[in-house]
Amino acid sequence: ETGVTQTPRHLVMGMTNKKSLKCEQHLGHNAMYWYKQSAKKPLELMFVYSLEERVENNSVPSRFSPECPNSSHLFLHLHTLQPEDSALYLCASSQEDRDQPQHFGDGTRLSIL
Amino acid sequence: AQSVSQHNHHVILSEAASLELGCNYSYGGTVNLFWYVQYPGQHLQLLLKYFSGDPLVKGIKGFEAEFIKSKFSFNLRKPSVQWSDTAEYFCAVTAKGSARQLTFGSGTQLTVLP
Repeated sequence: ETGVTQTPRHLVMGMTNKKSLKCEQHLGHNAMYWYKQSAKKPLELMFVYSLEERVENNSVPSRFSPECPNSSHLFLHLHTLQPEDSALYLCASSQEDRDQPQHFGDGTRLSIL
Repeated sequence: AQSVSQHNHHVILSEAASLELGCNYSYGGTVNLFWYVQYPGQHLQLLLKYFSGDPLVKGIKGFEAEFIKSKFSFNLRKPSVQWSDTAEYFCAVTAKGSARQLTFGSGTQLTVLP
């Protein structure tokens, strides 16, 4: 149990589908993150939300759309994805502006057909 | 912006062998350093962290790491590995005082042969 829960664990979708990834943290943190983990590449930070405001967007294509309705929940809305978007998507949370580590969820394994 | 370099992409050891995984970072200011581990099919877990003080830090499962500021290095060590240590290991760095900009290395896959 990590305190950060992601659903679904696996997702297969076509390029024209619309789906959403969900993340929930039970740690009382005030910042949440989306990362993309591809084989043989460093984890790529996609989005950062601090106090429910998006504070970073690292040149992510618009087919990825994050949403943070409150400090405990984070979504990643997906539409018209490409095969190269197949990867493990990780959610993390932390207490920002503190010397504390980020806590990660199990990830959603996304496969684009 | 900071960057992290892990020199070994795949390390294969026999049980009871000693382990050292290299990590070098690039950043102009004061940093916090981390090692995360990802066992097959599991989430990223914090193995150990360095914020300040004694540069030799001990983590879970017998792992330790040494921060050498002059070399910008934070190498991970374990004197005797076990088969259950088979996993991917990630070095990461943030600027001091902020958990936000966590920059990861590309990871090292460790395979321990029984």
